[in-house]
Amino acid sequence: GNSVTQMEGPVTLSEEAFLTINCTYTATGYPSLFWYVQYPGEGLQLLLKATKADDKGSNKGFEATYRKETTSFHLEKGSVQVSDSAVYFCALGGSQGGSEKLVFGKGTKLTVNP
Amino acid sequence: GAGVSQTPSNKVTEKGKYVELRCDPISGHTALYWYRQSLGQGPEFLIYFQGTGAADDSGLPNDRFFAVRPEGSVSTLKIQRTERGDSAVYLCASSSRGGTVSEQFFGPGTRLTVL
Repeated sequence: GNSVTQMEGPVTLSEEAFLTINCTYTATGYPSLFWYVQYPGEGLQLLLKATKADDKGSNKGFEATYRKETTSFHLEKGSVQVSDSAVYFCALGGSQGGSEKLVFGKGTKLTVNP
Repeated sequence: GAGVSQTPSNKVTEKGKYVELRCDPISGHTALYWYRQSLGQGPEFLIYFQGTGAADDSGLPNDRFFAVRPEGSVSTLKIQRTERGDSAVYLCASSSRGGTVSEQFFGPGTRLTVL
């Protein structure tokens, strides 16, 4: 079945550092890929998504490119801020018998220090 | 407008008891999902409704778990004979037309603790 492998955390960075959180997936067919974020005390929010190979999703300075050849969807940000401290989840959806469910990675906790 | 709401926010129960968890989706959203998130893990899919019917219940772990959505809006997740391993945060999400390309909007979750 579909699965997502996400870089284990926690990750601690200083403000303005470059961020990469690795995500690889296993899936049949043509899944859509997502990054969700959970800020402290809040619910899961969609950060960005990509629906087909070579698509780049972007939002709030974060980017991720759907790479079918490497089955990856790594999250990047050029200059993190303290307000980016949160738990980030890579997720995969669709492609399996019409099921609409999302399959999530374990999450990566990011802490950004001033 | 209002987001997805879930009640209660916290539920503590004893092993063997029955619990009901409620989800109010965003008004007009036809698709509704339940997920379970254990400590240190990502959410795991339980069940997906399109309208009133369960379109995919492959994630329900066993027959102690059941969910309904009788009028195509509010949904209730029911757990019979609770076990300590059922302790987790139960998340509900809704989307406008189903399909994983449509954004799923998540509620704040219900934290269930089984003593």
